[in-house]
Amino acid sequence: EPEVTQTPSHQVTQMGQEVILRCVPISNHLYFYWYRQILGQKVEFLVSFYNNEISEKSEIFDDQFSVERPDGSNFTLKIRSTKLEDSAMYFCASSMESGANVLTFGAGSRLTVL
Amino acid sequence: DQQVKQNSPSLSVQEGRISILNCDYTNSMFDYFLWYKKYPAEGPTFLISISSIKDKNEDGRFTVFLNKSAKHLSLHIVPSQPGDSAVYFCAARSYGGSQGNLIFGKGTKLSVKP
Repeated sequence: EPEVTQTPSHQVTQMGQEVILRCVPISNHLYFYWYRQILGQKVEFLVSFYNNEISEKSEIFDDQFSVERPDGSNFTLKIRSTKLEDSAMYFCASSMESGANVLTFGAGSRLTVL
Repeated sequence: DQQVKQNSPSLSVQEGRISILNCDYTNSMFDYFLWYKKYPAEGPTFLISISSIKDKNEDGRFTVFLNKSAKHLSLHIVPSQPGDSAVYFCAARSYGGSQGNLIFGKGTKLSVKP
């Protein structure tokens, strides 16, 4: 069964450092997303991406965050200068078409900021 | 601001019995509701959904009921199996909102005991 893959599974970084989380969405999917879950909290929407541009972002997704689809397979989330409160599990997801509410999630990348 | 609430953080059920997971919402603009299941070290997996124009959707052992007047939905699992033990997230989408911008509840951890 096709799946969304994410790397790294766990990253530890120092506050102020840049972090890039990588995702390989399902190959025929067109819509890509990042969500995050702070420990003990709910899963929160960060950003959606379609046709090489951001289609929607939440208020969490401030100037410290950026997304990119550098090639035909990868979808990345960059945090420019990490803060302690960025520590969370970051989930990448993809879906095939507009109106399709079923998102396929990856296993997540756990980010720990020290 | 919890637009989607799962008030029971955990639920324990005997194998073979019914599991009922509840979810309440506050936003009357939500038009589509989903349930996701999450195992440890994995991403959320889509389970079942329901449109706001329906009051019931059934898929095998899983049935979702929607009571719009009460702004309440529930997931019934019958019969429950040990493999159903996971965290269950209720999620919702606003009418006119991005199809990938889902609002999640905090989740309910279901334990099905043999």
